[in-house]
Amino acid sequence: DAGVIQSPRHEVTEMGQEVTLRCKPISGHNSLFWYRQTMMRGLELLIYFNNNVPIDDSGMPEDRFSAKMPNASFSTLKIQPSEPRDSAVYFCASQGGGTGGNEQFFGPGTRLTVL
Amino acid sequence: GEDVEQSLFLSVREGDSSVINCTYTDSSSTYLYWYKQEPGAGLQLLTYIFSNMDMKQDQRLTVLLNKKDKHLSLRIADTQTGDSAIYFCADISGGYQKVTFGTGTKLQVIP
Repeated sequence: DAGVIQSPRHEVTEMGQEVTLRCKPISGHNSLFWYRQTMMRGLELLIYFNNNVPIDDSGMPEDRFSAKMPNASFSTLKIQPSEPRDSAVYFCASQGGGTGGNEQFFGPGTRLTVL
Repeated sequence: GEDVEQSLFLSVREGDSSVINCTYTDSSSTYLYWYKQEPGAGLQLLTYIFSNMDMKQDQRLTVLLNKKDKHLSLRIADTQTGDSAIYFCADISGGYQKVTFGTGTKLQVIP
C-alpha cells in the first residue's frame, strides 16, 4: 500500500482564493481525520469521518472551511475564501477499525501558504 | 472533552536520557501512544501501551503509565541527534475510537 496520499504537497495562493486539499486514505480504513499544524497552535484536529460520515467537526475554525468524503477512498478539505492566517501544514490521517491499537497513519501533509 | 497536555520544548545533550511527559483526562482510555514527527514529515507511531500496563520497554524507549495520576512518560536512553523531532502523546477513547493528540514536545538534542 502507498500509504495515505495527499495532494498537492505545496500550495501557494493569494488571499481570497479558493483552496482545495485532497486526501486518499489507506484502503480498508474506515476513519479519516483532517489536522492543521502551526508553530503557534501545534496540531489541531479539524474534522473526522467514520464510514464516510462526519462525526465531529467542532475543530473546523469557521464557515470558510468545509470537508467532504464522498466515498471511502477520497476526501477534500476546502477553504473559501482563504486568508493569510490559514497558512499551515494540513495533514490527513486514516485509521482502520478493529484490533491492533488503532494506529493512525498520516499523509505527508500539504503546506499551504496564503499571501 | 478529552484533553491531552505536554510541555512544548525539551533540550538534552547527546548521550543523556530524555524524558517527555504527558497528562490526559479520560480515565477510560484503552491505549496510549507516542508518535514521532521528523522535520517535513507526518506523524509516525513510535510505540504504544495498553492501559492495563504500567511499563513497556522497547530498546532505547521506556514508556511509563501512571493511571491514577493520568500521567504518561517516554524515556529515551542514550539520546542521539537523530532523535531530534516533535513527540506527540495521544490516547484513544469513545465509541468511534477517536485518537486525541497532545500539542507535541519538540526535542532538541545538542551534540
